[in-house]
Amino acid sequence: GENVEQHPSTLSVQEGDSAVIKCTYSDSASNYFPWYKQELGKRPQLIIDIRSNVGEKKDQRIAVTLNKTAKHFSLHITETQPEDSAVYFCAIRGAGGGNKLTFGTGTQLKVEL
Amino acid sequence: DGGITQSPKYLFRKEGQNVTLSCEQNLNHDAMYWYRQDPGQGLRLIYYSQIVNDFQKGDIAEGYSVSREKKESFPLTVTSAQKNPTAFYLCASSTQSKETQYFGPGTRLLVL
Repeated sequence: GENVEQHPSTLSVQEGDSAVIKCTYSDSASNYFPWYKQELGKRPQLIIDIRSNVGEKKDQRIAVTLNKTAKHFSLHITETQPEDSAVYFCAIRGAGGGNKLTFGTGTQLKVEL
Repeated sequence: DGGITQSPKYLFRKEGQNVTLSCEQNLNHDAMYWYRQDPGQGLRLIYYSQIVNDFQKGDIAEGYSVSREKKESFPLTVTSAQKNPTAFYLCASSTQSKETQYFGPGTRLLVL
């Protein structure tokens, strides 16, 4: 099945700094790459996604970049704020049947004042 | 994602007992999914259903069962065969034409 590795597992930044989380995958036919944010005890919420025909997508302070050749994609958060503190998950959708997502193991982001 | 509800919020299971987790959506989504979340392991797919009366096993289906008799509902039963059921269970749904999955608030299952 599909496999996705996410790094780092924890990330601590100062408020205002940038944060970058990277995911690598093995299935070159993967075609959809969402990022979810999960606050403690809450449901995961989609924050941005990208499809395989696009290299970069931005939404205000959040951006995702995709390198299909190297099979990795990254989440970039600029001007971090305390409310960005949460666990972030990447996911991939393989080329197999259905809309199955395979998730990374998550990154605990802590934005310090 | 406010249109997906899960109940109960907390559930306690005794040894040898089957328990059923509820998932309902009013988003008119065709596809529904069940994930299990353990600390440090992300979300793992248990079962998914793309249409009423049809469902497929995910990566960790052993010890679980589902049904999809109605479009709005996708209950998950944790059977006594699941030896380590303590986890946070998340239900999600999506349309057939779009990949985005929306999650419910989750059910935390604990073993007594």
